[in-house]
Formats: sequence, C-alpha cells, structure tokens
Amino acid sequence: AQSVSQHNHHVILSEAASLELGCNYSYGGTVNLFWYVQYPGQHLQLLLKYFSGDPLVKGIKGFEAEFIKSKFSFNLRKPSVQWSDTAEYFCAVSGGYNKLIFGAGTRLAVHP
Amino acid sequence: AAGVIQSPRHLIKEKRETATLKCYPIPRHDTVYWYQQGPGQDPQFLISFYEKMQSDKGSIPDRFSAQQFSDYHSELNMSSLELGDSALYFCASSLGGRGRDGYTFGSGTRLTVV
Repeated sequence: AQSVSQHNHHVILSEAASLELGCNYSYGGTVNLFWYVQYPGQHLQLLLKYFSGDPLVKGIKGFEAEFIKSKFSFNLRKPSVQWSDTAEYFCAVSGGYNKLIFGAGTRLAVHP
Repeated sequence: AAGVIQSPRHLIKEKRETATLKCYPIPRHDTVYWYQQGPGQDPQFLISFYEKMQSDKGSIPDRFSAQQFSDYHSELNMSSLELGDSALYFCASSLGGRGRDGYTFGSGTRLTVV
C-alpha cells in the first residue's frame, strides 16, 4: 500500500533561513509526487509536482524539490523563507490512475 | 481560470441530520476525488469517480454515499451525522484520473455538526 512519511511535524525558522522538509514514500510502482501548501483557513494549493524527467523540480514561490529514487524521497527546499511562507505543507503521492495519499503535514512558522 | 467549485462553503447541522455537499470540477475534468480533513489532520481520501463511475474507495463511512453526474459534478451525501463528522471536506478534480495537472482542489466545505 502507498504511504507517505513527513519527518518534521513542526518547523520554526527565522526569515531568510533555508528550509528543507523531508518526505519519504512507500510504493511499489511508478509514482507521481506532489507538494501542496495550505495557508491558514485556505484550501490546498499545488507547489510543485514530479512525474518523470529531471529529478530536480522547481515550483512556485521559489520552492524546489528533488526526487531521489534510491532513497524514496522527495524533499522540499527553499533557500530563503519569508514570513508569508508560514503555512502547512503536505507531501503527497499517487500511482497511475489513483488517488492522492497525503503525508501528515509539516507546520512551518516563519518569524520576522 | 475556472477552478473547482464547492458548495456550500459552510454548513452547520445537528446530530442525526443529513447533509449534501456539491463539487463542480474544472471544465473538461472527468475525475473527482473527495477528501475529509479533520482539525489539525491531513486530508483523508474518501472516494473518487472517473467518467461517472466509482473508481476508488477509501475510508468513507457507510453512512456516506456519493455519485458523479452526467455533467461531471459530484455530490457527497452524508446521513445520520455524528459530531466526529465535523471537518473540512475537499473535492479535487483531474483529467483522465492521472492528475497530470496536480489534482486541483476546491476551497472546501466546512461542516460543523452540533
């Protein structure tokens, strides 16, 4: 069965600090990988996605993620966070004609 | 650009009542997914439909049912509501079930059962 593990449940950073959120997945076949962001009281918004090709994926708002197949990982990174990045971040995986499976989420708080 | 539309945005029901949530996918999308997100929790998959047929089923209670109509909109029917059903219910849509566009999500319906 598919599963997604996010290592950090809460992360607190100061503005301009670098961010890396871990995500590991478990799935036997070809996977599609996603990162979503959920701002307080809002719906899920797609940050970036990986289907195939270059394992380094660039998304919106300066985020990027790297797919490392050997480690079953898809970590999210941002070189310099801003206060407006305060949100909850969900890693998700799907396989073929399948629903999204979400990780437990990571709450990021960025202090000015 | 048109997004996934959900209605109502907020709903308050009493225990044992019924509720119907609606989801209108992005035009030309043929696949709809329903998720339930409890307070402080990650979204849990309930059910999905592809071309008006149920394509997958997750942790959906027997008290809930759903369908996708000829215009591809979907409705989630919830009966005998319980306090624990209070949550944010998201709908997402995609084309062809593969989610190449990233499974666009609606703003959700916040259901409160009192």
